[in-house]
Amino acid sequence: NAGVTQTPKFRVLKTGQSMTLLCAQDMNHEYMYWYRQDPGMGLRLIHYSVGEGTTAKGEVPDGYNVSRLKKQNFLLGLESAAPSQTSVYFCASGHPGWEAFFGQGTRLTVV
Amino acid sequence: KNEVEQSPQNLTAQEGEFITINCSYSVGISALHWLQQHPGGGIVSLFMLSSGKKKHGRLIATINIQEKHSSLHITASHPRDSAVYICAVRGRSQGNLIFGKGTKLSVKP
Repeated sequence: NAGVTQTPKFRVLKTGQSMTLLCAQDMNHEYMYWYRQDPGMGLRLIHYSVGEGTTAKGEVPDGYNVSRLKKQNFLLGLESAAPSQTSVYFCASGHPGWEAFFGQGTRLTVV
Repeated sequence: KNEVEQSPQNLTAQEGEFITINCSYSVGISALHWLQQHPGGGIVSLFMLSSGKKKHGRLIATINIQEKHSSLHITASHPRDSAVYICAVRGRSQGNLIFGKGTKLSVKP
């Protein structure tokens, strides 16, 4: 039982490049979330999904897109990376009222 | 003002000490989470509380809904407890978590 798995774990991008972060969960959770973590700040919600085929904006959605084509996967895309998107990204899954399960994080540097 | 405030920001303790980390919030909540993040590591959920008190090993979490306050206690602290401890609340009117900035704990042998 892997829980929540994020790939990749590390990535360096040049400004303007694009990439996709993959989050996979094997717990049959309906809800999935993408957060970013920056020094001196709490985790901030980028986008979330309450079920397959649905997505919604969080607190800091600009510059990111997401898709939830399969219940177990939640993809976070950066179409044109900017240095301000240098951060550690966490995926989580769960359901309101249940425990929250987090992935190990993806450290992204945009140069 | 942040909706979730943690104190202290940083905490250094000697092995064996009793540790308390505090969390205050300003919104009505349906649940409060305490999370642990080790350096370079992922985030692990320690407790989810909606009332009262929970205990797991040397960790105790309490919540006072009327006071909008929660505490995380660590008894007989150990260097392996060194981590960032994060408080997060789930508002009554929304399903998403609102996070505090975390408390960095360092336990010296």
